[in-house]
Amino acid sequence: GESVGLHLPTLSVQEGDNSIINCAYSNSASDYFIWYKQESGKGPQFIIDIRSNMDKRQGQRVTVLLNKTVKHLSLQIAATQPGDSAVYFCAERETSGSRLTFGEGTQLTVNP
Amino acid sequence: GAVVSQHPSRVICKSGTSVKIECRSLDFQATTMFWYRQFPKKSLMLMATSNEGSKATYEQGVEKDKFLINHASLTLSTLTVTSAHPEDSSFYICSAIPHRGGSLNYEQYFGPGTRLTVT
Repeated sequence: GESVGLHLPTLSVQEGDNSIINCAYSNSASDYFIWYKQESGKGPQFIIDIRSNMDKRQGQRVTVLLNKTVKHLSLQIAATQPGDSAVYFCAERETSGSRLTFGEGTQLTVNP
Repeated sequence: GAVVSQHPSRVICKSGTSVKIECRSLDFQATTMFWYRQFPKKSLMLMATSNEGSKATYEQGVEKDKFLINHASLTLSTLTVTSAHPEDSSFYICSAIPHRGGSLNYEQYFGPGTRLTVT
């Protein structure tokens, strides 16, 4: 399953499928991008990050892709599990500072 | 390592009263902490940047006299919501950046959040 831009804030997938969550950013000065997972009633949890000099970075079951040309970021989750159900946020940070700007988030629901 | 705690986790207060929320870095020192506000099904909105030993930097539109921030030590920042009103009800989240040696690691570690309900 795949979320499309910021106009589809929910994504529902079957357990075992791959999930793709998309994020558009607007600040050309951003050089560092992070994906966070937030479960209900909890703070954001770091998943994976990528710097602007990279196009792709892989973690355990997760991959982040960065397309600077169109200012697009995506998070791919392989073999999605019920425990992956949460809201996923992308965040960007400018070269010169430490402030993070968060995207709108996507609610991922994994059906067993 | 890099654990951030918040206290209380939930608080209910009456309209017109003030409430203080604490943010602590448990196993590292943090010269910079951030305070965010999050409404239901919405994203995190940065309210202010808290620097140890100096005044906080507030984002545009955030009332500094209403949301008092004190960063008195390298492990503690507090947010006080003064004269709270029902519209201040929200989920408040802090984060901290570790200060390691002579260089800064800009990675933010988030607290678990505080649910404020103003009646």
